Amino acid sequence: EAGVVQSPRYKIIEKKQPVAFWCNPISGHNTLYWYLQNLGQGPELLIRYENEEAVDDSQLPKDRFSAERLKGVDSTLKIQPAELGDSAVYLCASSLDGQSEAFFGQGTRLTVV
Amino acid sequence: TQLLEQSPQFLSIQEGENLTVYCNSSSVFSSLQWYRQEPGEGPVLLVTVVTGGEVKKLKRLTFQFGDARKDSSLHITAAQPGDTGLYLCAGRYNFNKFYFGSGTKLNVKP
Repeated sequence: EAGVVQSPRYKIIEKKQPVAFWCNPISGHNTLYWYLQNLGQGPELLIRYENEEAVDDSQLPKDRFSAERLKGVDSTLKIQPAELGDSAVYLCASSLDGQSEAFFGQGTRLTVV
Repeated sequence: TQLLEQSPQFLSIQEGENLTVYCNSSSVFSSLQWYRQEPGEGPVLLVTVVTGGEVKKLKRLTFQFGDARKDSSLHITAAQPGDTGLYLCAGRYNFNKFYFGSGTKLNVKP
């Protein structure tokens, strides 16, 4: 069974440019998470979806970050415009429901120069 | 502010030594998970503990959940270089909120 798939694996962009990350969760998983992880730190939750509804986006910087999960399956996370401090790994995870174990993708490493 | 505090932040030991990593919070978890993450990869789930006082073993790794479900520990016996990585605890609060600790970076030297 395929795990959580994220793309791209790596992205280098100039500051002020837009960037988008894509996540395909495990089939049948209703809950999807986006996390931000700085080097050597624990992941920090950005947004959590239950199906297509964003049920926890309190940590998402809404002035520049946006996310969507159309049809309750794939999800995209966008940053516009990117800033130097956005350089980090962006992790996507999914679980059967909001109380089940979460499984992670490999992440997208973003470097803003 | 981290809801879960892990200690130590860094740990460098020799192969064969034992070690314990701690995860603490002032809040009660409905469940707690331990993950291990290698560079360039996403976290990989090691174990989930749910019941206060629960102890689970995974080969040389022993996980314990505190009686009050506010803390947890991970003990590794006879550490090996392959155990090197970032160990993360993650707690579930109020059933739907799921947050990670700050992580413990373990380096096991041959």
